[in-house]
Amino acid sequence: DVKVTQSSRYLVKRTGEKVFLECVQDMDHENMFWYRQDPGLGLRLIYFSYDVKMKEKGDIPEGYSVSREKKERFSLILESASTNQTSMYLCASSSGGWQPQHFGDGTRLSIL
Amino acid sequence: KNQVEQSPQSLIILEGKNCTLQCNYTVSPFSNLRWYKQDTGRGPVSLTIMTFSENTKSNGRYTATLDADTKQSSLHITASQLSDSASYICVVSVASDYKLSFGAGTTVTVRA
Repeated sequence: DVKVTQSSRYLVKRTGEKVFLECVQDMDHENMFWYRQDPGLGLRLIYFSYDVKMKEKGDIPEGYSVSREKKERFSLILESASTNQTSMYLCASSSGGWQPQHFGDGTRLSIL
Repeated sequence: KNQVEQSPQSLIILEGKNCTLQCNYTVSPFSNLRWYKQDTGRGPVSLTIMTFSENTKSNGRYTATLDADTKQSSLHITASQLSDSASYICVVSVASDYKLSFGAGTTVTVRA
């Protein structure tokens, strides 16, 4: 089975801090994604990466950046955390095409 | 704008009963439609995936239908079990695009 592992299940940070969320997948997938999930809203794509060192902005990239130095690892960075970035963050990976995206269990991030 | 709308927002059913969840979409051009199950505190897990030429697809007690003409899909749960309590998310993908459009989900609660 595909396993997507997010480094933290719960995280509490302060406004203005630089925050790193880590994601690792073990299936040699080309594509990796970062989403945020808020109540009453569907998942919204923050950033997408289709190869090492390659990235594309999703629908809500403002306030975020990403890093993909190795194929199996995709990091989401909040440059200066703000309270409106309090959310559930989900990482996913896929081999592309018709294949479904496989999700991690999420990081619930609270910015105080 | 590509949109995916799910109904109802939530429902409660008794163990052993059946239920049907609805998904309407305006995504175009359509590529495929997926249903995901998301348990509380976990990431979404793929249940079914259908292309425009498929009308029905089953996965155990879960049966998804698709009417590409009316842009509607449904997910039927047969003989519900307590473990079916979860959020069910309809996801539609656009042809030749990595981006997915997510519905807000239907929360199903199964009671003994």
